[in-house]
Amino acid sequence: DAGVTQTPRHEVAEKGQTIILKCEPVSGHNDLFWYRQTKIQGLELLSYFRSKSLMEDGGAFKDRFKAEMLNSSFSTLKIQPTEPKDSAVYLCASLGGLAETLYFGSGTRLTVL
Amino acid sequence: GDSVTQTEGLVTLTEGLPVMLNCTYQSTYSPFLFWYVQHLNEAPKLLLKSFTDNKRPEHQGFHATLHKSSSSFHLQKSSAQLSDSALYYCALSETGNTGKLIFGLGTTLQVQP
Repeated sequence: DAGVTQTPRHEVAEKGQTIILKCEPVSGHNDLFWYRQTKIQGLELLSYFRSKSLMEDGGAFKDRFKAEMLNSSFSTLKIQPTEPKDSAVYLCASLGGLAETLYFGSGTRLTVL
Repeated sequence: GDSVTQTEGLVTLTEGLPVMLNCTYQSTYSPFLFWYVQHLNEAPKLLLKSFTDNKRPEHQGFHATLHKSSSSFHLQKSSAQLSDSALYYCALSETGNTGKLIFGLGTTLQVQP
């Protein structure tokens, strides 16, 4: 089975640009999560979807971060406008299977100059 | 709010020695606890999760015991292998939703020959 697919693997943006990160969850999984990974903060939840409905939109990230799930097999995370402090690895994950296990993608490493 | 504390940022030890990575938590409820492992340039993967019936979860030689009295879920292994070198995250779920997690900052384990 295909795992969680994230594109691109790396993204470099200038301050103020708009970037869109993409995620394809594991087929059949109903829950999708976006996390941000940094050394200082560890993993922080950005957004959470259940059956395409937005269940949680992390408070501190609301103003410039917008996650969408237009269909059950595709999600995007838009950051607009980007700031240097947004430099991090953005991880997408989906939840499913008999054991209700969270499966992570390999992430997109974003660098904002 | 709920939180997870991993006191060691880096643990370095010699192959064959026992491993113990610390994890303590604060939660209003009786949460589920998890350990995730992330090897270099790979996605985080579930290593262990706590059971509701006080069984001790084990996987790949690792085990962890949930101690509610001390709010701890330390990760242990009797003998470290070179391949155990990775970043280890402790996480909790307060709602039972095993995807909506609060993570610690992570502990990097470096196993040397």
